[in-house]
Amino acid sequence: DTAVSQTPKYLVTQMGNDKSIKCEQNLGHDTMYWYKQDSKKFLKIMFSYNNKELIINETVPNRFSPKSPDKAHLNLHINSLELGDSAVYFCASRRTELSEKLFFGSGTQLSVL
Amino acid sequence: AQSVAQPEDQVNVAEGNPLTVKCTYSVSGNPYLFWYVQYPNRGLQFLLKYITGDNLVKGSYGFEAEFNKSQTSFHLKKPSALVSDSALYFCAVRGKAAGNKLTFGGGTRVLVKP
Repeated sequence: DTAVSQTPKYLVTQMGNDKSIKCEQNLGHDTMYWYKQDSKKFLKIMFSYNNKELIINETVPNRFSPKSPDKAHLNLHINSLELGDSAVYFCASRRTELSEKLFFGSGTQLSVL
Repeated sequence: AQSVAQPEDQVNVAEGNPLTVKCTYSVSGNPYLFWYVQYPNRGLQFLLKYITGDNLVKGSYGFEAEFNKSQTSFHLKKPSALVSDSALYFCAVRGKAAGNKLTFGGGTRVLVKP
C-alpha cells in the first residue's frame, strides 16, 4: 500500500493551460505539504496544510492554488502554466506539524512546452 | 533565516570504502537535523534525525551522522559503501524560529563504483 500517492506521475502540457496534481495519504497524518524540485534538484517548500488549514504559504505565484478537501488530501491546481513551472512536484505528509519524519510521494514530473 | 549547505555536488567512492557526505547548517536556537535519500524517480526517504542527546545518531541502511555543535555540522557517514547507496542525499534543518519549517540543502549526488 502506497503511503503518500500522487497523480499523475508525468504531466506534459502547453503554456497557458490549467492543470491539477492530486495527492492522498493513507497514514492518518494531520499535516501535508507541496514541494517543488527544480532541474538542479533543489527542493523548496511551497505550501503546508494542517488539518485542512493553510499554515505555510511560501512566495509562490498566485497561479498556484492548493486545496485540501479533507486532511487526507492536498491537491495543487496551477493556472496559466509557464515554462518556468517545469519541475518535479512532491507531496509529503507528517503525523503532526511537530513530527520529525516526513513521508514523500514519488513525485509528479511537470513539463510545460 | 535558517539554511543548509551541502558543499559537494557529487561524491564518488569505491564500493567497500567509507562514505562521507558533508552538511553544515545555520539556525536560531537548537537545531533539529535530518538526512533524506532520494533514489531515481522516487520521493525522498527519511534516513535519520538528530533532535537531542548523543551526537552520533544511527539510521537506516547502516548510515550514521555526527552532530557537531561548534562546527554547526551534521555529516552523513557510512563505513562501507554499497553500489546500491548511489542516490541523491539531502540534509535538512528545522528550527522553531522558522515556524518549524523544514529547510533542505541543495543535495549531494553519491556515486558508488563497483
